[in-house]
Amino acid sequence: QVQLQQSGPGLVKPSQTLSLTCAISGDSVSSNSGAWNWIRQSPSRGLEWLGRTYYRSQWYTDYAVSVKSRITINPDTSKNQFSLQLNSVTPEDTAVYYCVSGTLGRGFDYWGQGTLVTVSS
Amino acid sequence: QSALTQPRSVSGSPGQSVTFSCTGTSSDVGGNNYVSWYQQHPGKAPKLMIYAVSKRPSGVPDRFSGSKSGNTASLTISGLQAEDEADYYCCSYAGSNTWVFGGGTKLTVL
Repeated sequence: QVQLQQSGPGLVKPSQTLSLTCAISGDSVSSNSGAWNWIRQSPSRGLEWLGRTYYRSQWYTDYAVSVKSRITINPDTSKNQFSLQLNSVTPEDTAVYYCVSGTLGRGFDYWGQGTLVTVSS
Repeated sequence: QSALTQPRSVSGSPGQSVTFSCTGTSSDVGGNNYVSWYQQHPGKAPKLMIYAVSKRPSGVPDRFSGSKSGNTASLTISGLQAEDEADYYCCSYAGSNTWVFGGGTKLTVL
């Protein structure tokens, strides 16, 4: 059973960088069959897939077009976790952010507890 | 990509069947067999109920079933129960290693 534990600040100032971390238990971030995603949810934008990282003999990342210029998702093999960085945030980035495991063939099957991130000065 | 289209609300009485629709385009729902459905209770993370159009993860009751025709996917709950009251979201692979969600449907059990 995979468990995902999120951590990171709940308040970020406009123009600054949002940073969240997701610790994995029950699987490996380096798994050749897994993928590690970030998804956010807000009243205005609903559920929005942001991006993912995965390992298939080398590391890959994919990002949503809407955030591609501002987002970085990195694996940390030494701590079995992965992270999200979103630069130049605005109040529109206020949302609950989820780390999620999942692949094309099995859907988004395990979700972290969610972190409400508010962008405000 | 544009979000998939879902009705805002659906309602049904205990024991009845309800069906949720999820309409996309040939670039997402109609172009692959990777539609999934999620149940979300207030204050909780979404829970996977259906993946790959019609497959159920272990532990999901067989009252939940999925299907697809053209650009529209559907989730059906048969034998409606009070605990099924929740928001339901569809999601589809949208090509180029990206995914798109629907806006969600609120299920009310009368």
